Amino acid sequence: AQKVTQAQTEISVVEKEDVTLDCVYETRDTTYYLFWYKQPPSGELVFLIRRNSFDEQNEISGRYSWNFQKSTSSFNFTITASQVVDSAVYFCALSEAYGSARQLTFGSGTQLTVLP
Amino acid sequence: EAQVTQNPRYLITVTGKKLTVTCSQNMNHEYMSWYRQDPGLGLRQIYYSMNVEVTDKGDVPEGYKVSRKEKRNFPLILESPSPNQTSLYFCASSLFAGGRYEQYFGPGTRLTVT
Repeated sequence: AQKVTQAQTEISVVEKEDVTLDCVYETRDTTYYLFWYKQPPSGELVFLIRRNSFDEQNEISGRYSWNFQKSTSSFNFTITASQVVDSAVYFCALSEAYGSARQLTFGSGTQLTVLP
Repeated sequence: EAQVTQNPRYLITVTGKKLTVTCSQNMNHEYMSWYRQDPGLGLRQIYYSMNVEVTDKGDVPEGYKVSRKEKRNFPLILESPSPNQTSLYFCASSLFAGGRYEQYFGPGTRLTVT
């Protein structure tokens, strides 16, 4: 069975600090997809990234970066120079081979608070 | 504008009274799914659909039904709601084609069953 663990329930940082959100996953599939989502205080869900299990290159998008390490079954998310608008709950998720969110398992989320 | 709509946004109902939460997307996505979000449990998938007339169970399908008669619509049906189905529900649609992936969520439906 798939499992995603986000051990950090809550993180609080001061604006402009870098912050890393941890995600550890378990799966028996050799082909799988990993995702990150953002849920701001307004409640909507926003898709951030999808990464397949064959692509271990780090990805950067503006202030966001993702570090995928198969050896440790981790897919960590770093926000550089955090801003108050980054305050949200962030979810990591895992899906099996087709990666279409056909069967998606979420972590319990990390509440990030960025203080001014 | 890419959009997933859900209705109603808020619903208070009583145990046993059948209800339907509608979900509609305007992006011609093949894949749609339903999730429920509960405090401390994150999001859990209820059902998903890979295309018209193709649906399958997610992690927590008990007490729910779905149908996919048209590509754009994926309603969630609670035949006999119970208080443990009080939750925040999200519908999503997604597309994976030619290496491109996109996914959108509806705004959520907050359901209270008394």
